[in-house]
Amino acid sequence: AQSVTQPDIHITVSEGASLELRCNYSYGATPYLFWYVQSPGQGLQLLLKYFSGDTLVQGIKGFEAEFKRSQSSFNLRKPSVHWSDAAEYFCAVGLTGGGNKLTFGTGTQLKVEL
Amino acid sequence: DAGVTQSPTHLIKTRGQQVTLRCSPKSGHDTVSWYQQALGQGPQFIFQYYEEEERQRGNFPDRFSGHQFPNYSSELNVNALLLGDSALYLCASSLRLAGDTQYFGPGTRLTVL
Repeated sequence: AQSVTQPDIHITVSEGASLELRCNYSYGATPYLFWYVQSPGQGLQLLLKYFSGDTLVQGIKGFEAEFKRSQSSFNLRKPSVHWSDAAEYFCAVGLTGGGNKLTFGTGTQLKVEL
Repeated sequence: DAGVTQSPTHLIKTRGQQVTLRCSPKSGHDTVSWYQQALGQGPQFIFQYYEEEERQRGNFPDRFSGHQFPNYSSELNVNALLLGDSALYLCASSLRLAGDTQYFGPGTRLTVL
């Protein structure tokens, strides 16, 4: 069965600093990979996704992520964090080729210091 | 273009009661998935509906059941509520043939007392 690990439960960064959120997955096939963001009391908003092709994917709000097959990782990055980026971030993995079940990590809570 | 909508926003029930949550998918989507998100956890997959049939199911008891209507909207039913069923219930919709991008609704917060 697939699994997703987000090793950092909480991360605090200063506004304007760079950000990297880690995500590792365990999967027997080529995965579909996603990053979602959740503000307090809200649903999940899709930041970006990787299905195939270029391993560096660009998303909304200035986020990007890099798929590294050899490391089973899909880390999320942003060069300069804004106070409005404070939220919880979830990495998720899905099946290739159909079937939309997503397996999520436990999330990373991002706090931004002004 | 309306996104995924869910109702109600909040719900309070007591143990043993039954609850029905509703979801309308994003326009043009034909597949609905339901997730349970307990406090401080990531969402857990409950089940998925396509063409009015349950296609996949996660590790949830039979007390959790669902339905999809011809207009692609969906309901999640939970019987014999337990305290542990308190959670945010998220609905996600997608277009089956277009791949696996799911778009989520705002969720229904269920509190079981």
